[in-house]
Amino acid sequence: ETGVTQTPRHLVMGMTNKKSLKCEQHLGHNAMYWYKQSAKKPLELMFVYNFKEQTENNSVPSRFSPECPNSSHLFLHLHTLQPEDSALYLCASSQERTGEHNIQYFGAGTRLSVL
Amino acid sequence: AQSVAQPEDQVNVAEGNPLTVKCTYSVSGNPYLFWYVQYPNRGLQFLLKYITGDNLVKGSYGFEAEFNKSQTSFHLKKPSALVSDSALYFCAVRDRGGATNKLIFGTGTLLAVQP
Repeated sequence: ETGVTQTPRHLVMGMTNKKSLKCEQHLGHNAMYWYKQSAKKPLELMFVYNFKEQTENNSVPSRFSPECPNSSHLFLHLHTLQPEDSALYLCASSQERTGEHNIQYFGAGTRLSVL
Repeated sequence: AQSVAQPEDQVNVAEGNPLTVKCTYSVSGNPYLFWYVQYPNRGLQFLLKYITGDNLVKGSYGFEAEFNKSQTSFHLKKPSALVSDSALYFCAVRDRGGATNKLIFGTGTLLAVQP
């Protein structure tokens, strides 16, 4: 186990549904990330949070809404998704220190299917 | 802009033979390079990184990578492949354009080790 837990592992939703993905890290890290992984494409960084503050929004559509209530938890709220949003959504965390190049630890992901 | 390229979608190798998974990079300045592995239904796991120093970097599970500045490459290697090494391998470079710990990933290379 990597110390990063994602739930649910699988999610099927209709285009009009609202759902949320959850990520929890037990590593005491201060930065958390959401990535989208689609077949044959590079991992796409979606959002970055440092010390609970969003520091990166990589031009993600507003139908994806992140929330970071504390440094251990990260959510991705989903609404009115499109079929092309079907993918594996990965959460990661790292301990950020100035001048260091820190390893990101990944959860197992949530496999999302939008019908 | 920083980028990495993994020219092979898939690499096939017989168990016991040496393996190489290729990665080339394009960065301004000194690169910070990483290799991650993804086993089926799992998140990404860190294998090794190059920041500075010795061009040959040793990592987990017997893997190593050679940094070659003149060829802008960071190929992953292992002297003797195991069937259990079969997985998806990602090369990544740190994006030094911002303040956050952003990693830019390649498209991944599927390694298949035949018994």
